[in-house]
Amino acid sequence: DAGVIQSPRHEVTEMGQEVTLRCKPISGHDYLFWYRQTMMRGLELLIYFNNNVPIDDSGMPEDRFSAKMPNASFSTLKIQPSEPRDSAVYFCASTPTGTSAEAFFGQGTRLTVV
Amino acid sequence: GENVEQHPSTLSVQEGDSAVIKCTYSDSASNYFPWYKQELGKRPQLIIDIRSNVGEKKDQRIAVTLNKTAKHFSLHITETQPEDSAVYFCAASTLTFGKGTMLLVSP
Repeated sequence: DAGVIQSPRHEVTEMGQEVTLRCKPISGHDYLFWYRQTMMRGLELLIYFNNNVPIDDSGMPEDRFSAKMPNASFSTLKIQPSEPRDSAVYFCASTPTGTSAEAFFGQGTRLTVV
Repeated sequence: GENVEQHPSTLSVQEGDSAVIKCTYSDSASNYFPWYKQELGKRPQLIIDIRSNVGEKKDQRIAVTLNKTAKHFSLHITETQPEDSAVYFCAASTLTFGKGTMLLVSP
């Protein structure tokens, strides 16, 4: 398996635009996590899914953020409208057996909102 | 919810010295404590983990200890090498991470 795959690797967008980040988990992994990493706040969980169903979205900062998982091999994180304070590295990770297992991270998407 | 505190935020050591990073957690129900290493510009990767039914675990130069009563756990790296330089994160499950420790090992 190629591991967790995220796209794009880098995204630069203007304030107010819609941004969509994509993630393909490792095949067979039933849990998918979205994190945001900044210098100030570290690595924060935004939302996680089990078998494509959102389990906990309490980390989603605002209604501008939304996440979906239409099938077992694809998830999106959307920001609409984007703001400069959304600039961060967004990681997707997957685990085979839940929240008490090794998380396999994608390479991340570095988002810059200008 | 769970809260994880990690100290120190930065740590500088000489090559060959030992390094210790400490974390505390708040939820006594937590039972899985992984440690991740993140090199500059790369993704976090698991280096060692420990479950609540174990007090200590070792893997070559790294070890983790867990004190459930005090709700704290620590990462120990012995005989540090320049390639150990990175940011290290502790976590309680996959849901709550510490803020990270930047370890710098000088030759």
